[in-house]
Amino acid sequence: ELKVEQNPLFLSMQEGKNYTIYCNYSTTSDRLYWYRQDPGKSLESLFVLLSNGAVKQEGRLMASLDTKARLSTLHITAAVHDLSATYFCAVETSGSRLTFGEGTQLTVNP
Amino acid sequence: SAVISQKPSRDICQRGTSLTIQCQVDSQVTMMFWYRQQPGQSLTLIATANQGSEATYESGFVIDKFPISRPNLTFSTLTVSNMSPEDSSIYLCSVAAPGHRYRYEQFFGPGTRLTVL
Repeated sequence: ELKVEQNPLFLSMQEGKNYTIYCNYSTTSDRLYWYRQDPGKSLESLFVLLSNGAVKQEGRLMASLDTKARLSTLHITAAVHDLSATYFCAVETSGSRLTFGEGTQLTVNP
Repeated sequence: SAVISQKPSRDICQRGTSLTIQCQVDSQVTMMFWYRQQPGQSLTLIATANQGSEATYESGFVIDKFPISRPNLTFSTLTVSNMSPEDSSIYLCSVAAPGHRYRYEQFFGPGTRLTVL
Protein backbone atom coordinates (compact mmCIF):
# COMPACT_ATOMS: atom_id res chain seq x y z
CA GLU A 1 0.00 0.00 0.00
CA LEU A 2 1.34 3.41 -0.97
CA LYS A 3 2.08 5.73 1.92
CA VAL A 4 2.63 9.45 1.48
CA GLU A 5 3.95 11.35 4.48
CA GLN A 6 4.33 15.08 4.82
CA ASN A 7 6.18 16.99 7.43
CA PRO A 8 5.71 19.15 9.22
CA LEU A 9 1.94 18.88 9.60
CA PHE A 10 1.74 22.32 11.16
CA LEU A 11 4.03 25.22 10.38
CA SER A 12 3.95 28.70 11.83
CA MET A 13 6.31 31.13 10.15
CA GLN A 14 7.21 34.76 10.37
CA GLU A 15 6.85 36.86 7.27
CA GLY A 16 10.08 37.09 5.33
CA LYS A 17 11.43 33.75 6.49
CA ASN A 18 12.20 30.66 4.43
CA TYR A 19 11.05 27.12 5.08
CA THR A 20 10.69 23.72 3.40
CA ILE A 21 7.86 21.20 3.48
CA TYR A 22 8.82 17.59 2.85
CA CYS A 23 6.84 14.84 1.13
CA ASN A 24 8.06 11.25 1.32
CA TYR A 25 6.37 8.39 -0.49
CA SER A 26 6.81 4.66 -0.40
CA THR A 27 6.61 3.46 -4.01
CA THR A 28 7.70 4.51 -7.47
CA SER A 29 5.58 7.05 -9.27
CA ASP A 30 5.69 9.05 -12.47
CA ARG A 31 3.97 12.14 -11.19
CA LEU A 32 3.78 14.13 -8.02
CA TYR A 33 1.42 17.04 -7.44
CA TRP A 34 1.40 19.91 -5.00
CA TYR A 35 -1.94 21.51 -4.19
CA ARG A 36 -3.01 24.43 -2.07
CA GLN A 37 -6.29 24.49 -0.13
CA ASP A 38 -7.70 27.58 1.53
CA PRO A 39 -10.24 27.11 4.34
CA GLY A 40 -13.63 26.08 2.96
CA LYS A 41 -12.29 25.94 -0.57
CA SER A 42 -11.33 23.28 -3.08
CA LEU A 43 -7.83 22.39 -4.22
CA GLU A 44 -5.72 24.64 -6.40
CA SER A 45 -3.01 22.95 -8.44
CA LEU A 46 0.43 24.46 -7.80
CA PHE A 47 2.91 22.11 -9.44
CA VAL A 48 3.14 18.84 -11.32
CA LEU A 49 6.55 17.16 -11.10
CA LEU A 50 7.19 14.62 -13.79
CA SER A 51 10.72 13.32 -13.57
CA ASN A 52 13.72 12.91 -11.34
CA GLY A 53 15.44 16.18 -10.66
CA ALA A 54 12.44 18.23 -11.77
CA VAL A 55 12.32 21.70 -10.26
CA LYS A 56 9.44 24.09 -10.73
CA GLN A 57 9.14 27.61 -9.39
CA GLU A 58 6.28 30.04 -9.24
CA GLY A 59 6.56 33.20 -7.21
CA ARG A 60 7.77 32.43 -3.70
CA LEU A 61 7.21 28.68 -4.06
CA MET A 62 9.63 26.16 -5.51
CA ALA A 63 9.01 22.44 -5.78
CA SER A 64 11.49 19.67 -6.49
CA LEU A 65 11.40 15.93 -6.97
CA ASP A 66 13.97 13.22 -6.23
CA THR A 67 12.46 9.95 -7.46
CA LYS A 68 15.41 7.88 -6.23
CA ALA A 69 14.91 9.12 -2.67
CA ARG A 70 11.11 9.18 -3.16
CA LEU A 71 11.11 12.70 -1.82
CA SER A 72 9.60 15.96 -2.95
CA THR A 73 10.08 19.34 -1.32
CA LEU A 74 8.11 22.56 -1.41
CA HIS A 75 10.32 25.49 -0.52
CA ILE A 76 8.85 28.78 0.60
CA THR A 77 11.00 31.87 0.14
CA ALA A 78 10.40 35.10 2.06
CA ALA A 79 6.95 34.05 3.22
CA VAL A 80 4.04 36.48 3.09
CA HIS A 81 0.69 36.27 4.85
CA ASP A 82 -1.11 35.39 1.60
CA LEU A 83 0.67 32.03 1.57
CA SER A 84 -1.23 30.91 4.67
CA ALA A 85 -3.14 27.77 3.60
CA THR A 86 -2.94 23.98 3.74
CA TYR A 87 -0.54 22.40 1.27
CA PHE A 88 -0.93 18.84 0.06
CA CYS A 89 1.38 16.63 -1.94
CA ALA A 90 -0.21 13.81 -3.92
CA VAL A 91 1.41 10.89 -5.69
CA GLU A 92 -0.12 9.54 -8.88
CA THR A 93 -0.21 5.79 -9.44
CA SER A 94 -1.75 3.53 -12.04
CA GLY A 95 -5.02 4.69 -13.50
CA SER A 96 -4.19 8.30 -12.60
CA ARG A 97 -5.26 7.65 -9.01
CA LEU A 98 -3.92 10.12 -6.43
CA THR A 99 -2.77 9.28 -2.91
CA PHE A 100 -2.51 12.37 -0.75
CA GLY A 101 -0.23 13.26 2.09
CA GLU A 102 -1.74 14.43 5.36
CA GLY A 103 -1.34 18.08 4.47
CA THR A 104 0.75 20.86 5.99
CA GLN A 105 -1.18 23.70 7.59
CA LEU A 106 0.91 26.81 7.06
CA THR A 107 0.34 30.01 9.00
CA VAL A 108 2.43 33.05 8.12
CA ASN A 109 2.45 35.65 10.87
CA PRO A 110 3.11 39.33 10.24
CA SER B 1 -7.92 23.49 -18.29
CA ALA B 2 -11.13 21.78 -17.23
CA VAL B 3 -13.82 23.68 -15.38
CA ILE B 4 -15.76 21.50 -12.98
CA SER B 5 -19.04 22.27 -11.25
CA GLN B 6 -20.76 20.30 -8.51
CA LYS B 7 -24.28 20.32 -7.18
CA PRO B 8 -25.27 20.81 -4.46
CA SER B 9 -22.50 22.90 -2.94
CA ARG B 10 -23.65 21.89 0.52
CA ASP B 11 -26.44 20.04 2.20
CA ILE B 12 -27.64 19.01 5.63
CA CYS B 13 -29.30 15.60 5.69
CA GLN B 14 -30.94 13.30 8.17
CA ARG B 15 -29.39 9.95 8.98
CA GLY B 16 -30.75 7.05 6.97
CA THR B 17 -31.43 9.15 3.87
CA SER B 18 -29.43 9.33 0.64
CA LEU B 19 -27.95 12.24 -1.29
CA THR B 20 -26.87 12.33 -4.92
CA ILE B 21 -24.07 14.69 -5.88
CA GLN B 22 -23.62 15.78 -9.47
CA CYS B 23 -20.35 16.63 -11.23
CA GLN B 24 -20.30 18.41 -14.57
CA VAL B 25 -17.17 19.12 -16.64
CA ASP B 26 -16.97 21.66 -19.44
CA SER B 27 -15.10 19.29 -21.77
CA GLN B 28 -15.00 15.57 -22.47
CA VAL B 29 -12.63 13.73 -20.16
CA THR B 30 -11.72 10.10 -19.89
CA MET B 31 -10.66 9.98 -16.28
CA MET B 32 -13.06 11.15 -13.58
CA PHE B 33 -12.75 10.46 -9.86
CA TRP B 34 -14.57 10.95 -6.57
CA TYR B 35 -12.70 11.85 -3.38
CA ARG B 36 -13.77 12.32 0.21
CA GLN B 37 -12.26 14.79 2.67
CA GLN B 38 -13.36 14.20 6.23
CA PRO B 39 -13.26 17.18 8.61
CA GLY B 40 -9.70 18.34 9.20
CA GLN B 41 -8.31 15.43 7.17
CA SER B 42 -6.65 14.80 3.84
CA LEU B 43 -8.34 13.51 0.71
CA THR B 44 -9.09 9.85 0.09
CA LEU B 45 -10.02 8.38 -3.26
CA ILE B 46 -13.44 6.70 -3.23
CA ALA B 47 -13.60 5.44 -6.79
CA THR B 48 -12.82 5.96 -10.44
CA ALA B 49 -15.97 6.72 -12.43
CA ASN B 50 -15.77 4.74 -15.66
CA GLN B 51 -17.84 5.78 -18.62
CA GLY B 52 -20.06 2.96 -19.82
CA SER B 53 -19.08 0.51 -17.10
CA GLU B 54 -19.15 0.06 -13.35
CA ALA B 55 -17.01 2.31 -11.20
CA THR B 56 -13.77 0.98 -9.73
CA TYR B 57 -13.82 1.30 -5.95
CA GLU B 58 -10.88 1.68 -3.61
CA SER B 59 -10.39 -0.50 -0.58
CA GLY B 60 -12.89 0.41 2.11
CA PHE B 61 -15.53 1.77 -0.26
CA VAL B 62 -18.37 -0.29 -1.71
CA ILE B 63 -20.91 0.21 -4.43
CA ASP B 64 -23.91 -0.27 -2.16
CA LYS B 65 -22.84 2.66 -0.03
CA PHE B 66 -21.47 4.91 -2.81
CA PRO B 67 -23.16 4.09 -6.11
CA ILE B 68 -21.68 6.04 -9.01
CA SER B 69 -23.00 6.75 -12.47
CA ARG B 70 -21.05 7.98 -15.49
CA PRO B 71 -23.44 8.22 -18.40
CA ASN B 72 -21.10 10.22 -20.63
CA LEU B 73 -17.68 11.87 -20.77
CA THR B 74 -18.74 15.13 -19.11
CA PHE B 75 -20.98 14.05 -16.22
CA SER B 76 -20.98 11.80 -13.18
CA THR B 77 -23.00 11.34 -10.01
CA LEU B 78 -22.06 10.00 -6.60
CA THR B 79 -24.76 8.88 -4.20
CA VAL B 80 -24.10 8.62 -0.49
CA SER B 81 -26.59 6.02 0.69
CA ASN B 82 -28.15 5.35 4.08
CA MET B 83 -26.18 8.19 5.59
CA SER B 84 -24.80 8.35 9.11
CA PRO B 85 -23.00 11.22 10.86
CA GLU B 86 -19.69 9.57 9.94
CA ASP B 87 -20.45 10.40 6.30
CA SER B 88 -20.19 14.12 7.06
CA SER B 89 -17.40 15.19 4.73
CA ILE B 90 -16.57 17.21 1.68
CA TYR B 91 -17.00 15.16 -1.49
CA LEU B 92 -14.91 16.28 -4.44
CA CYS B 93 -15.04 15.34 -8.08
CA SER B 94 -11.78 15.46 -10.03
CA VAL B 95 -10.73 14.93 -13.62
CA ALA B 96 -7.50 14.36 -15.49
CA ALA B 97 -7.48 16.80 -18.40
CA PRO B 98 -5.06 18.81 -20.55
CA GLY B 99 -3.70 21.80 -18.68
CA HIS B 100 -2.14 25.11 -19.63
CA ARG B 101 1.18 24.15 -18.11
CA TYR B 102 1.38 20.38 -18.53
CA ARG B 103 0.21 17.72 -20.97
CA TYR B 104 -2.39 16.81 -18.42
CA GLU B 105 -3.18 17.69 -14.84
CA GLN B 106 -5.72 16.68 -12.26
CA PHE B 107 -8.30 19.33 -11.50
CA PHE B 108 -10.77 19.38 -8.64
CA GLY B 109 -14.31 20.60 -8.44
CA PRO B 110 -15.46 23.03 -5.73
CA GLY B 111 -16.69 20.18 -3.53
CA THR B 112 -19.98 19.31 -1.84
CA ARG B 113 -20.02 19.87 1.91
CA LEU B 114 -22.30 17.26 3.49
CA THR B 115 -23.47 17.33 7.09
CA VAL B 116 -25.45 14.37 8.40
CA LEU B 117 -27.46 14.87 11.57
